[in-house]
Amino acid sequence: SYVLTQPPSVSVAPGKTARITCGGNNIGSKSVHWYQQKPGQAPVLVIYYDSDRPSGIPERFSASNSGNTATLTISRVEAGDEADYYCQVWDSSSDHPWVFGGGTKLTVL
Amino acid sequence: EVQVVESGGGLVQPGRSLRLSCAASGFTFDDYAMHWVRQVPGKGLEWVSGISWNSAKIGYADSVKGRFTISRDSAKNSLYLQMNSLRAEDTALYYCAKDLGGYGSGVDYWGQGTLVTVSS
Repeated sequence: SYVLTQPPSVSVAPGKTARITCGGNNIGSKSVHWYQQKPGQAPVLVIYYDSDRPSGIPERFSASNSGNTATLTISRVEAGDEADYYCQVWDSSSDHPWVFGGGTKLTVL
Repeated sequence: EVQVVESGGGLVQPGRSLRLSCAASGFTFDDYAMHWVRQVPGKGLEWVSGISWNSAKIGYADSVKGRFTISRDSAKNSLYLQMNSLRAEDTALYYCAKDLGGYGSGVDYWGQGTLVTVSS
């Protein structure tokens, strides 16, 4: 089955740029979605179809997807961005097509 | 306003059954796929099952295949998850989630989850 690999943790100072990667075999050929989950809350979609932002998500959130790596970029990081972030793809070749990455804990220093 | 509200969780003994429900509102239920995603407290997200808008496509995680059954009722705008032969490792918070589209997309709305605890 398809595997998505994320770093367990990323740390960044306020005002700096955070980059969270999501690795997968030829992930650039798939659509990647990103979710933010704060403690005690349900996940929130922050990026869909590789790089689109839902309404209400700040422009500071952006993403790209190419080759074997998708990347979520958070510019001008704020304390409120501290959360777990998950990537997700749909693997059409599988009977269980939904795949999540293991999640990355973003810590704002 | 789009809302999905789960119910039906609780404490159940190993080997027993439980049925989760999800009431959807604020969107045309028949137009969208729906999913169940679970999360063990403190752990990551795990997709459990999904069903297309017309129930033609249904998928299950290997961990639940043969034990869980997903279904939907358009008349009631509701999604269900019948969970049989429950195991301790099924203990988790179960989220109902609305697909962005027909099936092979992401999720744009999540419920707050219903907790399932499998223990004797």
